[in-house]
Amino acid sequence: GQNIDQPTEMTATEGAIVQINCTYQTSGFNGLFWYQQHAGEAPTFLSYNVLDGLEEKGRFSSFLSRSKGYSYLLLKELQMKDSASYLCAVRFSGYALNFGKGTSLLVTP
Amino acid sequence: DAGVTQSPTHLIKTRGQQVTLRCSPKSGHDTVSWYQQALGQGPQFIFQYYEEEERQRGNFPDRFSGHQFPNYSSELNVNALLLGDSALYLCASSLLAVGYGYTFGSGTRLTVV
Repeated sequence: GQNIDQPTEMTATEGAIVQINCTYQTSGFNGLFWYQQHAGEAPTFLSYNVLDGLEEKGRFSSFLSRSKGYSYLLLKELQMKDSASYLCAVRFSGYALNFGKGTSLLVTP
Repeated sequence: DAGVTQSPTHLIKTRGQQVTLRCSPKSGHDTVSWYQQALGQGPQFIFQYYEEEERQRGNFPDRFSGHQFPNYSSELNVNALLLGDSALYLCASSLLAVGYGYTFGSGTRLTVV
């Protein structure tokens, strides 16, 4: 299969740093996406990785290791508004995005 | 610049009925994908349309069908509704020439009773 695995839930404190991991089957890999989704809203694009390494965009960074089938999303200086579901999605051969079940992040004061 | 627009936002249907959901892509986009998101789950790929043809289909039965119009807008049709079809249906548009710029709509919440 093309299992996309990520933790179900995480909790972190406002102002802290949190890392959300995602693992996937490496065969046919053609790009990895991270999306943020607040309850009842559209998923919004955070990052795209197709080559190994770290992509930084403000408070959010995403890392990819293609050989290990591993990615993480790093959120710095957490804010209450960062409480949301974070979706890891992989595109294999073809056009579909294959999503994990999402990680529900709760940021506490 | 309008993003992806979906209608209706909410819908309640009875088992066995048929439903049509609509999607207008982001301006400049030519490709539309549909996803089903059950509560607490990640979105599942249904199919993608480009140039009014289905390019790829996920693991969904033939009860799920679609269409893309010349203006790039799209419809998702579901026949013989089952209780298990209750979900958030998301439309995502993109530009074929750009392989990663997917923009999602806010979805249609379908409840089958």
